Amino acid sequence: EVQLVESGGGLIQPGGSLRLSCAASGFTVSSSYMSWVRQAPGKGLEWVSVLYSGNSVYTADSVKGRFTISRDSSKNTLYLQMNSLRAEDTAVYYCARFRGSGITDFENWGQGTLVTVSS
Amino acid sequence: DIQMTQSPSTLSASVGDRVTITCRASQSISSWLAWYQQKPGKAPKVLIYKASSLESGVPSRFSGSGSGTEFTLTISSLQPEDFATYYCQQYSSYWTFGQGTKVEIK
Repeated sequence: EVQLVESGGGLIQPGGSLRLSCAASGFTVSSSYMSWVRQAPGKGLEWVSVLYSGNSVYTADSVKGRFTISRDSSKNTLYLQMNSLRAEDTAVYYCARFRGSGITDFENWGQGTLVTVSS
Repeated sequence: DIQMTQSPSTLSASVGDRVTITCRASQSISSWLAWYQQKPGKAPKVLIYKASSLESGVPSRFSGSGSGTEFTLTISSLQPEDFATYYCQQYSSYWTFGQGTKVEIK
């Protein structure tokens, strides 16, 4: 059974840094297309960053230069390093796995971790 | 960037009603569209992918149709567990979600 468990969220001051983790089970992160998707309180869904199995990375303009997606194959874990955080980055951050090995929909989701950027 | 526009934003319906949600893309996305259901405090769950393919385990009262720029999600007979927010998402060029449609109890 595929499972994704996010962690690392919390309250952080503007300008600070945070690293989110997504521990995967039931499949191999390094062989999958993975993504981070966020949802601001009371708002819709926004893709943040994508990491393909072949190491290609795509990052939304809203976080480009500040957020970095990566993975650790030995831990079967996906990460999101978030730097220079702003109030508008406040959101629930979900880890998601693409269907199959292509550019498709998000078949599996974690439960999300809340990041609150506030002084 | 491809913009996705859903209508309506809110929909009030009763159990047993037939419900239709529309999603329009700002340019053609072929059939590269998915529909998700999200309940409060929970992660989204995929219902439909590639415009009309039903996700395994999803009840057959859910169906999707359309191609190009106009798509619909239909719930043939609304059940109590279907009251939720629904999002469309394109994956033709990067990934964009619609703003969501909240299905409320009438």
